[in-house]
Amino acid sequence: GAGVSQSPRYKVAKRGQDVALRCDPISGHVSLFWYQQALGQGPEFLTYFQNEAQLDKSGLPSDRFFAERPEGSVSTLKIQRTQQEDSAVYLCASNKDGRLTASGNTIYFGEGSWLTVV
Amino acid sequence: QKEVEQDPGPLSVPEGAIVSLNCTYSNSAFQYFMWYRQYSRKGPELLMYTYSSGNKEDGRFTAQVDKSSKYISLFIRDSQPSDSATYLCAMSASGGSNYKLTFGKGTLLTVNP
Repeated sequence: GAGVSQSPRYKVAKRGQDVALRCDPISGHVSLFWYQQALGQGPEFLTYFQNEAQLDKSGLPSDRFFAERPEGSVSTLKIQRTQQEDSAVYLCASNKDGRLTASGNTIYFGEGSWLTVV
Repeated sequence: QKEVEQDPGPLSVPEGAIVSLNCTYSNSAFQYFMWYRQYSRKGPELLMYTYSSGNKEDGRFTAQVDKSSKYISLFIRDSQPSDSATYLCAMSASGGSNYKLTFGKGTLLTVNP
């Protein structure tokens, strides 16, 4: 596709409910990232995939957070038993091959999935 | 102390003004420096990308990196109302995990017509 596509754009979940957020990266992009952006804050790294392999999940805040990319394209971020502190924008990003270089390797962000836990 | 510090503003300027935005950082391993623009309810969009120290110019935008002071800046000349957005600095270290961006909090800029 033309850009990184995320769905749903907006999600309201009751505390304790499970949610699934979907990301469709730019076609041909090997690398995919998830970031969490709380209100008034910058994005914070959650996890990184290269193709279907999850190479870094160091930013996932707890074991309630799980991400997958089974066929190396679309990715899903799942949050189990949502809590109020999970309320944030979840940004997906992709780029050609992950590594930044001196000449640049742009990371493209989607518009985000806005999660509100009530 | 966070690895990247950025004054959140808000910053309000008249149209045509020169805008100066900046970030400081503590991690000397940072080698890649970026500025992103984020409009309300949109994702971040890359504006400028700089590797190591130096200046880079692109139209009305100039990015400066001073690694000795651990300080980066973005200058916007002849600012326009369409520049009104949140500006995020982002950085990455060299080495195996250089795909991981560390962002500042963002500075909210309003350019008044």
